[in-house]
Amino acid sequence: AAGVIQSPRHLIKEKRETATLKCYPIPRHDTVYWYQQGPGQDPQFLISFYEKMQSDKGSIPDRFSAQQFSDYHSELNMSSLELGDSALYFCASSLIETQYFGPGTRLLVL
Amino acid sequence: SQQGEEDPQALSIQEGENATMNCSYKTSINNLQWYRQNSGRGLVHLILIRSNEREKHSGRLRVTLDTSKKSSSLLITASRAADTASYFCATTVSGSARQLTFGSGTQLTVLP
Repeated sequence: AAGVIQSPRHLIKEKRETATLKCYPIPRHDTVYWYQQGPGQDPQFLISFYEKMQSDKGSIPDRFSAQQFSDYHSELNMSSLELGDSALYFCASSLIETQYFGPGTRLLVL
Repeated sequence: SQQGEEDPQALSIQEGENATMNCSYKTSINNLQWYRQNSGRGLVHLILIRSNEREKHSGRLRVTLDTSKKSSSLLITASRAADTASYFCATTVSGSARQLTFGSGTQLTVLP
C-alpha cells in the first residue's frame, strides 16, 4: 500500500538559511499534518491542511510557512533557520481518524 | 508534554514477557491512538480507540481506555526483541480539529 512520502530524508543547513520540506500524502487522503520532533521529545503539531486549505495551526514559528498544492502535496518552508530548528519533521495524512506518518525529514542546522 | 504523561518512561523486560505502558491525558478526547517509533525513525500507527470504547484488541496488542480517569494502557503480550521501540499515545481533542497531541513516550527494551 502507498505510504506518505517525504523528501528530502536528510538536510543540513546553516544558521539563517532557508529550507523546504516536501510531503506527498497517501492518495485520496484529504488532510495533511506537519509535526516537529526535537531530540528526545515527543512530536509537536505545527500546522494542518484540509482539502488544500489551512485548517489548524499549532506551535509553528512565524519564520515557518506551509501550503498544500492542487495535487495535494504539501511543503513546509522554513526561513532564518536557527540551531533550535534541528529536529525530525514529520508529515502525516488522514482520511477519517487514523493519521499515517511519513518517514520524516531530519534537519540539522549548523 | 502538552497533553499528558506516559508511565513508565522506560521499561526493560525479557522476551516472552508482557509489557504494559500507561498514558494519561488532560482534556476530553475524541479518540486515542498508540504509535510505535524505532529510534529516530517514523511513527507507525498501532491502534485507535474511540472515546466511547473501553477496550480494543489487535493481534498481541490490547488497549484500554478509562475516560473517567483520563487514562489509557497498552499491553503487548508475549513480547519479542523486535518490539523494542518508543511507544507514544496521542489524542485528538473533543470539539477540535484532528491534530494529535502526543504523550511523552515509553522506551521499551525487550531483551532476547
